[in-house]
Amino acid sequence: KAGVTQTPRYLIKTRGQQVTLSCSPISGHRSVSWYQQTPGQGLQFLFEYFSETQRNKGNFPGRFSGRQFSNSRSEMNVSTLELGDSALYLCASSAGQGWEQYFGPGTRLTVT
Amino acid sequence: AQSVTQLDSQVPVFEEAPVELRCNYSSSVSVYLFWYVQYPNQGLQLLLKYLSGSTLVESINGFEAEFNKSQTSFHLRKPSVHISDTAEYFCAVSVVGSGNTGKLIFGQGTTLQVKP
Repeated sequence: KAGVTQTPRYLIKTRGQQVTLSCSPISGHRSVSWYQQTPGQGLQFLFEYFSETQRNKGNFPGRFSGRQFSNSRSEMNVSTLELGDSALYLCASSAGQGWEQYFGPGTRLTVT
Repeated sequence: AQSVTQLDSQVPVFEEAPVELRCNYSSSVSVYLFWYVQYPNQGLQLLLKYLSGSTLVESINGFEAEFNKSQTSFHLRKPSVHISDTAEYFCAVSVVGSGNTGKLIFGQGTTLQVKP
């Protein structure tokens, strides 16, 4: 099976802009989770989608949002970008709770 | 609230020596436990997992970890490391329960540096 794919791999944006990141899960996986990785805060959970519904959410401001499509592909959107949003954004897919998560290569977002 | 502590931020070790990366977690409810490895400029790769059953779990590349419920630990060990094991290692927990779906709580990571 193909692994989790994320596009784009790298992005450079300016403060105030918005950005959309995409994630395609492993075939058959219906759960997609998103994480932000920074040197200072480490790996932090953003949210999880299952069958097009957000089931869980981390402690991030409302500028961070996501959605999931009927084919389980997911997008994450960040509006009004801030310098502190510069990070590696990772998505992971799984078959559901009680199953392990498989991660994509990540999208490196740089906000200038 | 649940938390994960990786007791060493960096572990330098010589090639072919044994290594232990320590992980403790805090949770009053049942958890699933994982170790992930991250190579530079890459995502996380699952190394091994404890979901239930035998408390000693092994990976295909020689790593093993033991779930110790009384000490709330899940330390990672390898009897003989290789240069290629140089990477950052993350311990993570997933809390069992419908309100915690899809969420992994990670430790801060341990950088394993294998020297020739």
